[in-house]
Amino acid sequence: RKEVEQDPGPFNVPEGATVAFNCTYSNSASQSFFWYRQDCRKEPKLLMSVYSSGNEDGRFTAQLNRASQYISLLIRDSKLSDSATYLCVVSRTGRRALTFGSGTRLQVQP
Amino acid sequence: NAGVMQNPRHLVRRRGQEARLRCSPMKGHSHVYWYRQLPEEGLKFMVYLQKENIIDESGMPKERFSAEFPKEGPSILRIQQVVRGDSAAYFCASSPGRQSSGANVLTFGAGSRLTVL
Repeated sequence: RKEVEQDPGPFNVPEGATVAFNCTYSNSASQSFFWYRQDCRKEPKLLMSVYSSGNEDGRFTAQLNRASQYISLLIRDSKLSDSATYLCVVSRTGRRALTFGSGTRLQVQP
Repeated sequence: NAGVMQNPRHLVRRRGQEARLRCSPMKGHSHVYWYRQLPEEGLKFMVYLQKENIIDESGMPKERFSAEFPKEGPSILRIQQVVRGDSAAYFCASSPGRQSSGANVLTFGAGSRLTVL
């Protein structure tokens, strides 16, 4: 079983739609959680950290459920520029290296 | 602030040759990480280094791959006797030191794309 699992998609949604991605992690010792975004053939870029209380950054909302070991990302009012692959990322207690999920591809259509 | 610099951006090698990929971390960052991304796959951790020390190499293949981060100069990922399966994008990332806020947040370079013929 992969340490971080994501639905690969693609999610094809119209502009203005709300879309949600989920991610599950297997290691209960995971302590830090992030969403990164990767555009085609480019480097991953941090989208947002994920906190236990949930957090919001503009149109993006991230939630963490430690009991069920899953993380979610909600994107409201999708823009064409949101088209990318969204990577769920975790790190374990005592380990600096981040573990990446394989990503969920989002395609926002006009 | 130039960000994480990687070079070369593209590298073509024939089977059996050596590949050297270089990474200069962001100014003020003392930790370097190497990740590999095979076509249509996610990023896989390879190695984590501080200056002159390998901290975690649990993701490095046991043979042909090595990494260093010398006191002076960039971090280098070296692949000896390359094979076609080594063709991938190799991303370097850096982060601040242990005591800094955001120590777990990685900033990535643009990557080095290795093609083995």
